[in-house]
Amino acid sequence: ILNVEQSPQSLHVQEGDSTNFTCSFPSSNFYALHWYRWETAKSPEALFVMTLNGDEKKKGRISATLNTKEGYSYLYIKGSQPEDSATYLCALAGGTSYGKLTFGQGTILTVHP
Amino acid sequence: EAGVAQSPRYKIIEKRQSVAFWCNPISGHATLYWYQQILGQGPKLLIQFQNNGVVDDSQLPKDRFSAERLKGVDSTLKIQPAKLEDSAVYLCASSPEGRGIDTQYFGPGTRLTVL
Repeated sequence: ILNVEQSPQSLHVQEGDSTNFTCSFPSSNFYALHWYRWETAKSPEALFVMTLNGDEKKKGRISATLNTKEGYSYLYIKGSQPEDSATYLCALAGGTSYGKLTFGQGTILTVHP
Repeated sequence: EAGVAQSPRYKIIEKRQSVAFWCNPISGHATLYWYQQILGQGPKLLIQFQNNGVVDDSQLPKDRFSAERLKGVDSTLKIQPAKLEDSAVYLCASSPEGRGIDTQYFGPGTRLTVL
């Protein structure tokens, strides 16, 4: 069973602050790393899929980096807005099951106006 | 393009009762997933279908949970009988081919409360 860890579990920031979260995974068992955003009462929304060591992806004010050798990914949000409040989930595709995602427990972000 | 549809959105039942959830994936997506998300935890894969065949059901509690995907399109997940610990959000997702690099598209989920 793969172990995917996210930190912190929750985060409160003020509007305009920049923030970042961490996703850790076993480096020996890697195929792809996914990031999702899940707002309350909505569907989880895909942010990024990353496959190569050193990958950097960007979508508006959100960006992510990947280090497969040491087994971590960072998600950054620049200039947080209240609408960024959500649970951010990372998920590892690896192991023996093709396409199976193992999710971390998520980081709950609350952005205060 | 229509997204993944799920119903019902909310369900409250007594323990030992039965419940069923329905999912309609994005048209043309071969792979369908059912996840269970317990409060404070990440989603856990219960079962993965490729067309109408099961790829992975290793974490499905088969003594009480069952799922089917007839005709390789929509799917139902059933719990019979329900236990208190089954209270969770049940998410359905679909992807084009089920590869690890494929984005999975999620429905809004069904929030189940077992009393």
